[in-house]
Amino acid sequence: QVQLQESGPGLVKPSETLSLTCTVSGGSISGYYWSWIRLPPGKGLEWIGYIYYSGSTNYNPSLKSRVTISVDTSKNQFSLRLSSVTAADTAVYYCARHAHGVGMDVWGQGTTVTVSS
Amino acid sequence: DIQMTQSPSTLSASVGDRVTITCRASQSISSGLAWYQQKPGKAPKLLIYKASSLESGVPSRFSGTGSGTEFALTISSLQPDDFATYYCHQYYSYSWTFGQGTRVEIK
Repeated sequence: QVQLQESGPGLVKPSETLSLTCTVSGGSISGYYWSWIRLPPGKGLEWIGYIYYSGSTNYNPSLKSRVTISVDTSKNQFSLRLSSVTAADTAVYYCARHAHGVGMDVWGQGTTVTVSS
Repeated sequence: DIQMTQSPSTLSASVGDRVTITCRASQSISSGLAWYQQKPGKAPKLLIYKASSLESGVPSRFSGTGSGTEFALTISSLQPDDFATYYCHQYYSYSWTFGQGTRVEIK
């Protein structure tokens, strides 16, 4: 059974770069899209971007200038970098698997990231 | 970008009620739509994909309809475990978007 686990700092200072990693266990990273999604406090889900296992990416236009998603197939991991963070980037961050045409069927448990000095 | 307008934002209902949540796309997304359930402190759970396909293990009281720009999620008989927030999600375009969410609360 495929499982996802997010990891990374829970506290990031304003203007710095948020970095998270999602480790895929129980299955291969090949053949799927891998996404990052966030849930700001009191708001709804926001799609951040995805990477295909081959390395092609697509990002939310509102975040595109600050986001980089990368994949390391040898480690079965993919990562998120969000630069120049502000308090508005405080959220629970989730990683998820998307099978083509199916939707996001496997999710990590989520990790809370707070942006504060 | 394709905008997803979900309604209502909050729905008050009783156990046993039939409830429907709607999602409208700003342009046609064919059947590229999924529905998720999220409970506080938990990750979202996939309920429906391709607008009307039931994810494995999801109770049959959940159903999805629609194509193009108009979609609906129906719970035929609301159960205590169903009180949660529901989101639609379009993955038809290269840039994905979620609806704003519908909170289903106890009446």
